[in-house]
Amino acid sequence: DVKVTQSSRYLVKRTGEKVFLECVQDMDHENMFWYRQDPGLGLRLIYFSYDVKMKEKGDIPEGYSVSREKKERFSLILESASTNQTSMYLCASTINTEAFFGQGTRLTVV
Amino acid sequence: GENVEQHPSTLSVQEGDSAVIKCTYSDSASNYFPWYKQELGKRPQLIIDIRSNVGEKKDQRIAVTLNKTAKHFSLHITETQPEDSAVYFCAASTRNTDKLIFGTGTRLQVFP
Repeated sequence: DVKVTQSSRYLVKRTGEKVFLECVQDMDHENMFWYRQDPGLGLRLIYFSYDVKMKEKGDIPEGYSVSREKKERFSLILESASTNQTSMYLCASTINTEAFFGQGTRLTVV
Repeated sequence: GENVEQHPSTLSVQEGDSAVIKCTYSDSASNYFPWYKQELGKRPQLIIDIRSNVGEKKDQRIAVTLNKTAKHFSLHITETQPEDSAVYFCAASTRNTDKLIFGTGTRLQVFP
């Protein structure tokens, strides 16, 4: 079974804090993605990576950055958290176009 | 870039009835169209997909149809059961990218 694991299920952070969301996959997939899920808006692509140290912007990259130092780990960084970044964040890795998702991190910024 | 629209946003059906969810996409280069099911509190999981060289695909009670000319694809669930209740997402991607662009989701409720 493919395992995509996100480091936290729930997080509460203060406005202005730097926030790290971690994602690890155990299947040696090259492609990894970060989405945010909001009611009525579906899954929106923030950033993705096709290889170590490689990153590309998705549809809503503003306020976010990413890091991929190792193939199995893809981190999403909120440089200065804001209340409009309160959301569910989903990481995914893909093989042959099928996406395997992590369990999600529900982030609340207060 | 690609844009995927999905309708309806909510759908309520009686157990045993059929349910249809429709999506349209904008990028004619898209050639892969998966459907994901997300049960309450769980992660999305792939339930069926179709590639652009096929017009229809079935897997037991679920089927997907694709109209490339109109840039439409649809999910059909027959003989619905309460366990089909979930949020369903359509998506589109282009060859060799694995970059999935999702629709806004449909909350399906199946009443016993």
